[in-house]
Amino acid sequence: RKEVEQDPGPFNVPEGATVAFNCTYSNSASQSFFWYRQDCRKEPKLLMSVYSSGNEDGRFTAQLNRASQYISLLIRDSKLSDSATYLCVVNKDTGGGNKLTFGTGTQLKVEL
Amino acid sequence: NAGVTQTPKFRILKIGQSMTLQCAQDMNHNYMYWYRQDPGMGLKLIYYSVGAGITDKGEVPNGYNVSRSTTEDFPLRLELAAPSQTSVYFCASSDPGLSYEQYFGPGTRLTVT
Repeated sequence: RKEVEQDPGPFNVPEGATVAFNCTYSNSASQSFFWYRQDCRKEPKLLMSVYSSGNEDGRFTAQLNRASQYISLLIRDSKLSDSATYLCVVNKDTGGGNKLTFGTGTQLKVEL
Repeated sequence: NAGVTQTPKFRILKIGQSMTLQCAQDMNHNYMYWYRQDPGMGLKLIYYSVGAGITDKGEVPNGYNVSRSTTEDFPLRLELAAPSQTSVYFCASSDPGLSYEQYFGPGTRLTVT
């Protein structure tokens, strides 16, 4: 089983739609959770951290369920500029460096 | 702040050639990382460093070497390039004392033929 699993998509949605991405992780010792965004042929950039209490940043809401080892990202009122690949990322501080484990990403295409 | 910079942006190597991918950061981060990303795949950690003079293997270190003589620089050396090393290479840095966010460079696209 992969350490971090995501539906690869692509998710093709019309502008203004709400779209949700899911992610599961296998290591219960994982400590921190993130969503990164990667545009085509670009480097990944942090979109938002994910907390157990859930957190919101504008149109983006992230949720963590530690019991189910499940992370989600909800994008409301999607824009053309949201088209990208969204990477679910999990951190486990091993004491020798905070190593991030990346999912393979979910591709989102927002269309007119 | 330039952040994390990588050179070159693109490179084509012949099988058996060697090269060094350069990475530098100006954020005074102690932690630096090298990843590779193959098409449709997640990022795989090659090597990482928690400070000058300290390096350690990641998930896929075979065929690569690193050094960290300064806080700023973390070069990745490919010896005897093979077609399996065709990939996009990303360097990243972080300061876990502040947050676990890793800041990535723009990447080097390497083709080995």
